[in-house]
Amino acid sequence: DTEVTQTPKHLVMGMTNKKSLKCEQHMGHRAMYWYKQKAKKPPELMFVYSYEKLSINESVPSRFSPECPNSSLLNLHLHALQPEDSALYLCASSQGPGEHYGYTFGSGTRLTVV
Amino acid sequence: GENVEQHPSTLSVQEGDSAVIKCTYSDSASNYFPWYKQELGKRPQLIIDIRSNVGEKKDQRIAVTLNKTAKHFSLHITETQPEDSAVYFCAASPLISNFGNEKLTFGTGTRLTIIP
Repeated sequence: DTEVTQTPKHLVMGMTNKKSLKCEQHMGHRAMYWYKQKAKKPPELMFVYSYEKLSINESVPSRFSPECPNSSLLNLHLHALQPEDSALYLCASSQGPGEHYGYTFGSGTRLTVV
Repeated sequence: GENVEQHPSTLSVQEGDSAVIKCTYSDSASNYFPWYKQELGKRPQLIIDIRSNVGEKKDQRIAVTLNKTAKHFSLHITETQPEDSAVYFCAASPLISNFGNEKLTFGTGTRLTIIP
C-alpha cells in the first residue's frame, strides 16, 4: 500500500458543528502532516507529527485540533469553524529518519463551512 | 523562516517544446528541493527532487538543476505533452537532525498549459 487515504472527500459543516477529518497510511511512515490549501494557492503547513508526537504547530487557531492515535492514523478535529476556513485539507506522510524521501499526499478533504 | 519565490505564475508552451520553471529560496540551511505536480482537483504528486549535494538530476523528460551559491533551482520539461498541463509547485526544506521537524515551504505555483 503506497497511498495516504483521507476521509471524507467532501464535507459541508455549519459554524456550530463538530466534525473530524481522518487520514490513514500503511507505509510505515513516521511523520504525518496536515496542510491547508486555498484555491490557486500553495499548500500551507498546519501541523507536523513525528513518531506520533506533535512536533510543529504553525500557530493554528484552536478550533483545529489534531490527534495522532497511532502511527498509521491522523485526525483533525474541527469545531466552531468560520467560512474562511473553507479549503482543501491535505494530509501527507514521509519516511525518514534524518533524510527526506519526499511527501506522499492524500487526495484531500474539500471542506465548506456555511 | 524560508521564503520560496516561483516564476512564472503562468506558462503556455506549444506541444513538443520545452518548459522551464524557476524558483529561488532564502534560507541557506535548505538542502532538499522537491517539485510537485497538481492536476485540477487532485493531490500534489512528487515528480522529482534534488538534494544539495547534487547539481542536476534527470528522470526521462524531466530534469532539475540546483545552484546553491545563487540559491535557485529550476525544473525543465522537454518534449512537452498535453498531459503535462497542471500546476507545478517547487518547495524547499532543511534537513534537521530531529526527524519530523522538517518544514517544507512551497513556492506560489506555476500553471503550465500545453497547447496542442
